[in-house]
Amino acid sequence: DAGITQSPRYKITETGRQVTLMCHQTWSHSYMFWYRQDLGHGLRLIYYSAAADITDKGEVPDGYVVSRSKTENFPLTLESATRSQTSVYFCASSLTGIPQPQHFGDGTRLSIL
Amino acid sequence: QKEVEQNSGPLSVPEGAIASLNCTYSDRGSQSFFWYRQYSGKSPELIMFIYSNGDKEDGRFTAQLNKASQYVSLLIRDSQPSDSATYLCAVKFARGDSARQLTFGSGTQLTVLP
Repeated sequence: DAGITQSPRYKITETGRQVTLMCHQTWSHSYMFWYRQDLGHGLRLIYYSAAADITDKGEVPDGYVVSRSKTENFPLTLESATRSQTSVYFCASSLTGIPQPQHFGDGTRLSIL
Repeated sequence: QKEVEQNSGPLSVPEGAIASLNCTYSDRGSQSFFWYRQYSGKSPELIMFIYSNGDKEDGRFTAQLNKASQYVSLLIRDSQPSDSATYLCAVKFARGDSARQLTFGSGTQLTVLP
């Protein structure tokens, strides 16, 4: 049972570059989420998706793009990376929407130089 | 602005004691509350969740809701060094844009001393 996997686990890139973080889940969960975690801010929602081809903004969506062409995949793209986007990014999924609990992937630690 | 507040700690308790972690929330109509544990460098792991209809006990963990004062507590009985982690509280707000999302607190760091 692979659950939810994120790739890469670590990424270093430069400002202005495009970078895509991948998230794949094997549970056939309807909902998927992207969070970033920074010291002092806790987890903040970037985007979420209720189903394939349905996405919606969270608390901090600026500078990010998502897509969900297949239920199991939910990639997050930073179109032009900035240093302020250096963070740990977590993908999560839940069977249905809230109040169902969310299950998290292992995270991607992204550094932008 | 919908908010979830937690004391960042660190909270230190001796092994075998009861650890009590609190979380306050701003939306009186909130009905779903979640507690996650996060070890350093790891992803959040769901411990338990409760709805507004009552408290919940699961092994050494108890989640309690005080709707009048708008806080939710997590009690850890017989605390073990392996419980040392950051505990995140998350709330689903009842109204506004945040109603479809979980809002997380910044977490309380717990250290259980052997």
